[in-house]
Amino acid sequence: QKEVEQDPGPLSVPEGAIVSLNCTYSNSAFQYFMWYRQYSRKGPELLMYTYSSGNKEDGRFTAQVDKSSKYISLFIRDSQPSDSATYLCAMRNYGQNFVFGPGTRLSVLP
Amino acid sequence: EADIYQTPRYLVIGTGKKITLECSQTMGHDKMYWYQQDPGMELHLIHYSYGVNSTEKGDLSSESTVSRIRTEHFPLTLESARPSHTSQYLCASTPGGQLNTEAFFGQGTRLTVV
Repeated sequence: QKEVEQDPGPLSVPEGAIVSLNCTYSNSAFQYFMWYRQYSRKGPELLMYTYSSGNKEDGRFTAQVDKSSKYISLFIRDSQPSDSATYLCAMRNYGQNFVFGPGTRLSVLP
Repeated sequence: EADIYQTPRYLVIGTGKKITLECSQTMGHDKMYWYQQDPGMELHLIHYSYGVNSTEKGDLSSESTVSRIRTEHFPLTLESARPSHTSQYLCASTPGGQLNTEAFFGQGTRLTVV
């Protein structure tokens, strides 16, 4: 079993839709949870970061962490064509290296 | 925008050649990483460094080597390229300290070995 699993996609939605991206993990020691966005032929860039359980909102993006279920989510409201990218979840424990999910490719159609 | 640069962006090279992928960052970050990324697969950590003169192997077995002579520079070398090395290579850095949370990535080097 992989340490981090992510809905594989690809996912295609119409512009304006609410998008839900999800990851599950097996290591209960993870405390830091991140979502990276990667455009085609670019490096990943940090989108959201959450420490431990809870929600965090930034504009149209909301990150949720449920440590009891070992489940994290990223919600995108009012999705735009510019949101079309691959979304990678990442997590780590204190002082440890990052562990990344395989990514979900999202296409938002105008 | 992150100040971390990788060269070349694209490289096509013949089997058996020696290659060096360059990575430089201007943020003064102590920790640097090399990842391998294949389509639809997670990033695999192949090497990392805590700082000058520190190099560690990552989770993915690799035939590459790295060096860290200067804080800002973390090159990756393949002594003899093979078609199995065809992949995208991503360099990243984080500030020092245990609570660093964000990794800054370069644009990547897409390597094709023919």
